[in-house]
Amino acid sequence: SAVISQKPSRDICQRGTSLTIQCQVDSQVTMMFWYRQQPGQSLTLIATANQGSEATYESGFVIDKFPISRPNLTFSTLTVSNMSPEDSSIYLCSVGYRFYQETQYFGPGTRLLVL
Amino acid sequence: TQLLEQSPQFLSIQEGENLTVYCNSSSVFSSLQWYRQEPGEGPVLLVTVVTGGEVKKLKRLTFQFGDARKDSSLHITAAQTGDTGLYLCAGHVSGGYQKVTFGTGTKLQVIP
Repeated sequence: SAVISQKPSRDICQRGTSLTIQCQVDSQVTMMFWYRQQPGQSLTLIATANQGSEATYESGFVIDKFPISRPNLTFSTLTVSNMSPEDSSIYLCSVGYRFYQETQYFGPGTRLLVL
Repeated sequence: TQLLEQSPQFLSIQEGENLTVYCNSSSVFSSLQWYRQEPGEGPVLLVTVVTGGEVKKLKRLTFQFGDARKDSSLHITAAQTGDTGLYLCAGHVSGGYQKVTFGTGTKLQVIP
């Protein structure tokens, strides 16, 4: 299994600002994903981070609001731009290996509060 | 759109009691996973079931995949306080673009 770290673990931000969340994996992985989760609720997929190309966004999420980078097979960033209180949530990074497609390993999450 | 409905949404039980969590869909999945998430952490994979009718046991946890691969259940025997957490099922359809659909979640509290 993969060991995944996220930075920052939590942050409090002012509305209108942007925050970049980093996801680092201890091994090369094929797939990297970004999710959003309200405490105690299910996960909503924001996008799939593709290495060397633009991320694939899910319905309701756009690149201008959530730009994603993935410069290599072990690292990705998610930026939450022009934040509003509605962006307050937990943001999770997960990874998957091509051979075991159905299994995802999750980072500890970034808890964001926008005032 | 594939939906996975979990029931119950919330469950609060005494230590030592048994419980069952259900995960239902109208869609067929190639495999189904169960995750547990504790406060302040990301979800952790508990099990993957692949074959219709499959039963897997993990200590006091028993997982079953429905015959038609549209539903699954998680049964916990003699619950312990360490079982407290958010339980999520997740369905996967193989082939092509890898995408997993997560269930609505069941929040379990085991009271000592």
